[in-house]
Amino acid sequence: GESVGLHLPTLSVQEGDNSIINCAYSNSASDYFIWYKQESGKGPQFIIDIRSNMDKRQGQRVTVLLNKTVKHLSLQIAATQPGDSAVYFCAVVSQAAGNKLTFGGGTRVLVKP
Amino acid sequence: NAGVTQTPKFQVLKTGQSMTLQCAQDMNHNSMYWYRQDPGMGLRLIYYSASEGTTDKGEVPNGYNVSRLNKREFSLRLESAAPSQTSVYFCASTLQRQGQTPQHFGDGTRLSIL
Repeated sequence: GESVGLHLPTLSVQEGDNSIINCAYSNSASDYFIWYKQESGKGPQFIIDIRSNMDKRQGQRVTVLLNKTVKHLSLQIAATQPGDSAVYFCAVVSQAAGNKLTFGGGTRVLVKP
Repeated sequence: NAGVTQTPKFQVLKTGQSMTLQCAQDMNHNSMYWYRQDPGMGLRLIYYSASEGTTDKGEVPNGYNVSRLNKREFSLRLESAAPSQTSVYFCASTLQRQGQTPQHFGDGTRLSIL
């Protein structure tokens, strides 16, 4: 079955620095990838997504990189701000598996002032 | 727009009691989902409804039932609550088209079973 993991459970970053959050997945048939941000007491909030026919996608201060060869996904946050402190989840989808999301365990990002 | 609305936000039950968690979305999405989130773990799919009138089991369906009442509403029922069902429950929805689209989540129901 699918498994999704994160390399670092907690990431401390200085305000203004860039953050990189990593995610590994196991199913090579995964074809859609999503990053979510979850603040305390809230539900996951969509940040950015990428499909398997792309290797990079940029949003506002965020970039997602996809390396299908090694089944690795990363989220880069530029100029990290205190409001970026949260838990970040990657989620993968396989159309062949019915488009259901499989979530990683989450990485907590702590922004130091 | 409210997005995905879950009620109640908090609930405490005794073992053996029953409870229905409500979820409604106003985004005209066709697919809806129920997840549970336990400490240190990612979200796990309990049940989902790909479209109005259909429901299917997810990864952890035991002890739960669901009802897709109409396109907007998808409820989760615990018939006989057990302490192992203490968790945070999230409802999500998405507009399932040919390509995938992200799921949008509610803010959760925090359920404690004593």
